[in-house]
Amino acid sequence: EIVLTQSPATLSLSPGERATLSCRASQSVSSYLAWYQQKPGQAPRLLIYDASNRATGIPARFSGSGSGTDFTLTISSLEPEDFAVYYCQQRSNWPITFGQGTRLDI
Amino acid sequence: EVQLVESGGDLVQPGGSLRLTCAASGFTFSTCWMTWVRQAPGKGLEWVASMKEDGGEKYVDSVKGRFTISRDNAQNSLYLQMNSLRVEDTAVYYCARGPFGVVNDFDYWGQGTLVTVSS
Repeated sequence: EIVLTQSPATLSLSPGERATLSCRASQSVSSYLAWYQQKPGQAPRLLIYDASNRATGIPARFSGSGSGTDFTLTISSLEPEDFAVYYCQQRSNWPITFGQGTRLDI
Repeated sequence: EVQLVESGGDLVQPGGSLRLTCAASGFTFSTCWMTWVRQAPGKGLEWVASMKEDGGEKYVDSVKGRFTISRDNAQNSLYLQMNSLRVEDTAVYYCARGPFGVVNDFDYWGQGTLVTVSS
């Protein structure tokens, strides 16, 4: 099973600042990595698929990079609605696995 | 508009059974992989099972032999039959489209249905 480790567990920033979230895989997942945003009481929302492709309707301030074992989600300038939990997920190998999440706090 | 609507969640005793349903609309269901993902209270996301458009199935080890994913392409519906339920199966269960398709990974999710396993 591929283990995804996200860091930091919690990130405290202010609106307008830049956020950098990390996801490290226990073995290569090529570019088969996605990022999701989840707000309390809501379903997850796909932000980035295949490591660097923005999903439909996702603002340009969200970007993804990386390949192999190291990946980054960057939010260039935080908006108030961006404060949420973020998960990475790999589909390179079964079972599909998620990281434990990074909470982005004000 | 793509919509996924789950139903069937309930309170059930350990060892009991439950069947979840996901009603899909707004896309060609019969050509899409579909998946169940769960989230225990206050915890992260866990992939449970996926089904290919023509019937191939994949499961996480912890549910193999107890859960069965199925689909009815004529009814645009996805199911999860859950038997021998355990306390640790307590979670919100989400239906999601994917992980393989025009857009890879899980591009649409339902609102979830809560399964509580407790005596």
